[in-house]
Amino acid sequence: QSVLTQPPSVSAAPGQKVTISCSGSSSNIGNNYVSWYQQLPGTAPKLLIYDNNKRPSGIPDRFSGSKSGTSATLGITGLQTGDEADYYCGTWDSSLSAGGVFGGGTKLTVL
Amino acid sequence: EVQLVESGGGLVQPGRSLRLSCAASGFTFDDYAMHWVRQAPGKGLEWVSGITWNSGSIGYADSVKGRFTISRDNAKNSLYLQMNSLRAEDTALYYCAKDMGTHWGQGTLVTVSS
Repeated sequence: QSVLTQPPSVSAAPGQKVTISCSGSSSNIGNNYVSWYQQLPGTAPKLLIYDNNKRPSGIPDRFSGSKSGTSATLGITGLQTGDEADYYCGTWDSSLSAGGVFGGGTKLTVL
Repeated sequence: EVQLVESGGGLVQPGRSLRLSCAASGFTFDDYAMHWVRQAPGKGLEWVSGITWNSGSIGYADSVKGRFTISRDNAKNSLYLQMNSLRAEDTALYYCAKDMGTHWGQGTLVTVSS
């Protein structure tokens, strides 16, 4: 049972838009920045979004993040078959008193 | 280019110990907190432990507290995870991650089985 709650799967057609939700509480999302990670099959996680809505260099603007209260959302527009992956939300407590917590992951299928 | 290379994984019997290492390059290692995150086969990500830049603050997941010890050697640009009293449920791919997960290694596989 993960601390953050994500839907197990989402799907959409190429070119369409999809959103992935991440629900937490005041002890994690509510008081910390949220990150999103993409994990392609057989590879390590890759940072997509940090500080709720910032994209590292090299991440296309098709990927976006938002946060409201104790929930966060990842949006992906212009879906491509190469976007098929597992997506994880996470939040990190900088004091390390709680460390890091992740969602259970969402499998994105591009139909 | 940031590189994180984990090593030290392998097959170990329950109750035994293993020490993982993570060699970092391409950034100023002692400027950043570092973490260990694991992923059991077919499962999601689980934060294991983290350590601040100067080892002044350390945290552990409840599942490993008292059994695992994280440490770092800034002179060697290296992160470590000493794992004692290993259990079958510790079987996973262990990733080393920089800061708030900005970069990840490729992982080292730990299998705990008799």
